[in-house]
Amino acid sequence: RKEVEQDPGPFNVPEGATVAFNCTYSNSASQSFFWYRQDCRKEPKLLMSVYSSGNEDGRFTAQLNRASQYISLLIRDSKLSDSATYLCVVLFYGQNFVFGPGTRLSVLP
Amino acid sequence: NAGVTQTPKFQVLKTGQSMTLQCAQDMNHEYMSWYRQDPGMGLRLIHYSVGAGITDQGEVPNGYNVSRSTTEDFPLRLLSAAPSQTSVYFCASSYGGEKLFFGSGTQLSVL
Repeated sequence: RKEVEQDPGPFNVPEGATVAFNCTYSNSASQSFFWYRQDCRKEPKLLMSVYSSGNEDGRFTAQLNRASQYISLLIRDSKLSDSATYLCVVLFYGQNFVFGPGTRLSVLP
Repeated sequence: NAGVTQTPKFQVLKTGQSMTLQCAQDMNHEYMSWYRQDPGMGLRLIHYSVGAGITDQGEVPNGYNVSRSTTEDFPLRLLSAAPSQTSVYFCASSYGGEKLFFGSGTQLSVL
């Protein structure tokens, strides 16, 4: 079993839709959690950190469930510019960032 | 503020050739790492370092060497390139388990 798993995708949604991505991790000792965004052939960039109480940044909401070892990302009112691959990242043992395989999102006009 | 500088952006090698991918950061980050990314797969950790003089293997270390003689630099060496090493390589750095800062990537083709 992979350490970090994500919805396989791709997700094709119309503009304005709400879309949710799921991520599970295998190591209960994981310390920190992040969502990164990667555009085609570019380096990943931090979208948001994920906090235990859940957090929101504009149209983006991240949730963490430590008991179920589950992380989610919700995007409301999707824009064309949201089209990208979304990577779930887990920090293990304080020094080892492990990436999920990513979920590709295409927002269609 | 340069951040993470990674060179070269593109490289073509013949099987058996050696080369070094350079990575430098100017943020005084203790943690540096190298990843490779293949189509349909996430980033896989090759090697990482938690400080000068300290390196460790990641998920896919075979065929690669690293060293960390200074805080700023973390080069990745391919000793004898193989077609299986054709990939996109990313260097990244971090401080205190916070946000990873990435270089712009190297597209490597081994023929």
